[in-house]
Amino acid sequence: DAGVTQSPTHLIKTRGQQVTLRCSPKSGHDTVSWYQQALGQGPQFIFQYYEEEERQRGNFPDRFSGHQFPNYSSELNVNALLLGDSALYLCASSLATVDEQFFGPGTRLTVL
Amino acid sequence: AQSVAQPEDQVNVAEGNPLTVKCTYSVSGNPYLFWYVQYPNRGLQFLLKYITGDNLVKGSYGFEAEFNKSQTSFHLKKPSALVSDSALYFCAVRDTSSGGSYIPTFGRGTSLIVHP
Repeated sequence: DAGVTQSPTHLIKTRGQQVTLRCSPKSGHDTVSWYQQALGQGPQFIFQYYEEEERQRGNFPDRFSGHQFPNYSSELNVNALLLGDSALYLCASSLATVDEQFFGPGTRLTVL
Repeated sequence: AQSVAQPEDQVNVAEGNPLTVKCTYSVSGNPYLFWYVQYPNRGLQFLLKYITGDNLVKGSYGFEAEFNKSQTSFHLKKPSALVSDSALYFCAVRDTSSGGSYIPTFGRGTSLIVHP
């Protein structure tokens, strides 16, 4: 079992650009959550997907959007990048009825 | 609303000594509590959780945590620290009351440094 995988590992973009991050959940998991972890901070919840629908959303602007595919993999899209979007983006997978989340290694996004 | 606080940015301990990483929480109903560890350039790894039952929860790598409802705390402990335990530790809480979020709130993290 490969666990939760994310791609790419690192990404450098400039202000105003758009970015897409990808996540494959742990085998058997049907729920994917995305978090933003700024330097020196704990993970901040962006949104969660279940059955291809956004089930819950944190306090992030509409520039942040996502998608879940029938195979449960997920994408996080960020439009009109700002310098403040620079962070480690973590994907976590779980079963819908279980609290324990399994995290991927993250994608380090740097916005210049 | 749910919130969690980790009052120490950094904890230093000598190898072989016991360690404690502190966490306090605030919820409206009953809490689900979690500890995660993060090594450099890695995602978070689950250590242990409290749902209900015994106040002392045992987890991975010899870690344990004690749930104290009266003090609203969930401190992480280990009897004998290893240098390899040096990492960033996150406490998280989820409020199980009706209307509570299904999503945990994470603390800011505590950097544990174990000296040889």
